[in-house]
Amino acid sequence: DAMVIQNPRYQVTQFGKPVTLSCSQTLNHNVMYWYQQKSSQAPKLLFHYYDKDFNNEADTPDNFQSRRPNTSFCFLDIRSPGLGDAAMYLCATSRGVGLNIQYFGAGTRLSVL
Amino acid sequence: ELKVEQNPLFLSMQEGKNYTIYCNYSTTSDRLYWYRQDPGKSLESLFVLLSNGAVKQEGRLMASLDTKARLSTLHITAAVLDLSATYFCAVPRGADGLTFGKGTHLIIQP
Repeated sequence: DAMVIQNPRYQVTQFGKPVTLSCSQTLNHNVMYWYQQKSSQAPKLLFHYYDKDFNNEADTPDNFQSRRPNTSFCFLDIRSPGLGDAAMYLCATSRGVGLNIQYFGAGTRLSVL
Repeated sequence: ELKVEQNPLFLSMQEGKNYTIYCNYSTTSDRLYWYRQDPGKSLESLFVLLSNGAVKQEGRLMASLDTKARLSTLHITAAVLDLSATYFCAVPRGADGLTFGKGTHLIIQP
């Protein structure tokens, strides 16, 4: 059974139209991450939550926001998607510091028209 | 700033041959991860290397870690077609996520 679940798998949005991507986990992990992966590139960390503490990467655009209402769920909000935001968005979880193995969801592929 | 470099970035090899992918990283870390990614899919964990000298093997893949040299290798033995994929190494930054290499796009040809 999937432990890190992302919805939807494919999302199409219009230029400038807000979009929300969802991630849920059944692992009860403390840490949830969002990565952006553009075509033929490495995944790039956008931000992460350690419990309720939000940690933003310095170069993550303000256009990207995140919410974590509880341990199981984390959302990625893109306020005004641009064409350059088309990418695969990967959610991952880990127990926390220490072993820090990250478990990835299947990803959401975002297209911006 | 942590940098992770992989080479080669592209590799085409014949079935049955051996090859090694290299991963160098710039700051001290006692652990390293290898992931596989098929086109359009998410990341699949292959190996978790947790200490200097760690060696792990799964089928035709073997990974090793030298923390003093800041180097990990992923060795492919007698390649088969279904090993074609992109392979990423990644180094953790505490609880701050992973820094990935650019990936090695591997194509196995008959």
